[in-house]
This record gives sequence, structure tokens and C-alpha cells, in this order.
Amino acid sequence: TQLLEQSPQFLSIQEGENLTVYCNSSSVFSSLQWYRQEPGEGPVLLVTVVTGGEVKKLKRLTFQFGDARKDSSLHITAAQPGDTGLYLCAGDPAGGSNYKLTFGKGTLLTVNP
Amino acid sequence: SAVISQKPSRDICQRGTSLTIQCQVDSQVTMMFWYRQQPGQSLTLIATANQGSEATYESGFVIDKFPISRPNLTFSTLTVSNMSPEDSSIYLCSVEGGWGYGYTFGSGTRLTVV
Repeated sequence: TQLLEQSPQFLSIQEGENLTVYCNSSSVFSSLQWYRQEPGEGPVLLVTVVTGGEVKKLKRLTFQFGDARKDSSLHITAAQPGDTGLYLCAGDPAGGSNYKLTFGKGTLLTVNP
Repeated sequence: SAVISQKPSRDICQRGTSLTIQCQVDSQVTMMFWYRQQPGQSLTLIATANQGSEATYESGFVIDKFPISRPNLTFSTLTVSNMSPEDSSIYLCSVEGGWGYGYTFGSGTRLTVV
């Protein structure tokens, strides 16, 4: 069973602060996805990273995939209250054809005005 | 990406009863996935539903408790049977969006068993 360790589990910050969420595993993933989930909704895809060392930016969000494709990070610059939500990383197993994602436990982010 | 309509959005049910959750996709998909998300927790895969074959269940989930139907390529149902308070959770369906496009999720069904 491939596990994704996500940290921190909870994060409460003030508007304008920066933060980083980490997603680590001992297993290799063919791709890693980041989702954000708001109350009463399903997770919504933010980004997919597929190449080791890849960096993707989505406005104030920066996503990085580790060189060995075992870990990833999400960095938010100048957080805003609208960034509040549950952030989930999910990995597609390398070499697998069963399409089963492995989800991290999530990071519940609260950005206070 | 696909659009999923999931219903009901929430329900409060008596213990011992059953609830059927429906997911309708606006395009044909080979596989549909059913997840459970307990309060404040991440997602746990219940089963994978392929059209025309039996669903494949993950460890800890059985067909008698969570029967699944997949009558065509755009629709699936998950039934939570003989419910107990421990079944109180959010249930989500999902489809794959294609390589690099991640997965699309329904908005979830928030189930409370009393």
C-alpha cells in the first residue's frame, strides 16, 4: 500500500502570510495531484505534476514535484481568506494501471482576515 | 472535464435503513469511483465501478453493505445498507479526467444516521 504523508494537518494563518504544505511518500508516483475542497463540495483539481523536479504556478500558488517523484509541496504566497479550505494531495501509482489514487490526509487551512 | 451530478446532497436516515446515492456524468466514462470521507478526514476509496461488470471493492468494504450498480457508461448508484451511526460520512463519486487532468468529483452526499 502506497502512503502519502501530508503536513501540517491544520494551519491557521493571517491574511498576507505565506505557507507551505508538504506531501511525502517512500513510493514513486507517476503523477501527483493537488485538490482543494470547500465545505459541502467535492474536491476540485488545482494542478497535476508529472515530471520529477517540475514546478507549476497557479497565480499565488506554486507546486513542486520532487526529483524522485516521491514528494511534492504547495506554497501559497500572500494567503487570502478565499484560500481557506481542505488541501489534498493525491498520487497516481507509478507503473500502475488500476487508476486508484492514494490520498493524503489533507491540510485544513484557515486564513483569517 | 466531465460534470457530475450527485444526489441527494444530504440526508438524515434512521439506523437499519438503506440509502441509495446517484451519480450522473455528462459524458461516457469507463470507470466510476466511490469514496467515503469521514468528518475532517481524507478520502477512502470504497469501490471501482465498471459498466457491465461487478464492482471491485477495496479492503474493508463489502458488496452486501455497499452494493453498486453501473447500468450504463454515464450513471452509477451506491447504496449504503442497514445503516448505523458509524456510516455517517460524506460519500463522493468520481471519474478520471484523462492523463494529466486529474479526477472530477461529485459534490458529495452528506449522510447522517441517527
